[in-house]
Amino acid sequence: GNSVTQMEGPVTLSEEAFLTINCTYTATGYPSLFWYVQYPGEGLQLLLKATKADDKGSNKGFEATYRKETTSFHLEKGSVQVSDSAVYFCAWPGAGSYQLTFGKGTKLSVIP
Amino acid sequence: GAVVSQHPSWVICKSGTSVKIECRSLDFQATTMFWYRQFPKQSLMLMATSNEGSKATYEQGVEKDKFLINHASLTLSTLTVTSAHPEDSSFYICSAPSLGRDEQFFGPGTRLTVL
Repeated sequence: GNSVTQMEGPVTLSEEAFLTINCTYTATGYPSLFWYVQYPGEGLQLLLKATKADDKGSNKGFEATYRKETTSFHLEKGSVQVSDSAVYFCAWPGAGSYQLTFGKGTKLSVIP
Repeated sequence: GAVVSQHPSWVICKSGTSVKIECRSLDFQATTMFWYRQFPKQSLMLMATSNEGSKATYEQGVEKDKFLINHASLTLSTLTVTSAHPEDSSFYICSAPSLGRDEQFFGPGTRLTVL
């Protein structure tokens, strides 16, 4: 079955630092992959997704490339802001239609 | 994008009482909705899949008699925590997939505290 390993935090960065949050997957075939973000006190929001191998998802300055050769979908941002402080989840389709299984989540804190 | 709402956003109840949480898709229809539970500093755990017009499908280890799910219409699913105990205190989140898309939309969550 599908599974994902996500880098655990917490991660603390200074403003304008470079961010990488690792996510690797084991999957049958090439399912869509997702990054969700949860801001403090809120529900999850889709940050970006990639629907097939070698796709790059991007949004709000974040990027992730679906790399089949390394089975990875690492999240990156060149210059983080305080407002990026949140918990980030890598996610992939679960066993059933539309189901999602989440990585453990990585808490990011960006300090001025 | 599509909007999913949850009500209430937080609830405090006494041990032994039952609590109902509503999940609504506001601008689209959802034949399927998912209920998750999130423990502090942990990831989301899928509890059950709510199916409109039929019984919910529960994940292994989730008590169906304790967590009653009713998907009464194409826009509403409810989760009732029966005879709540302090260990049921958690953050409950619902989601709904948009029909024809591989994207899910999440509610803002409900914080349940059982005293």
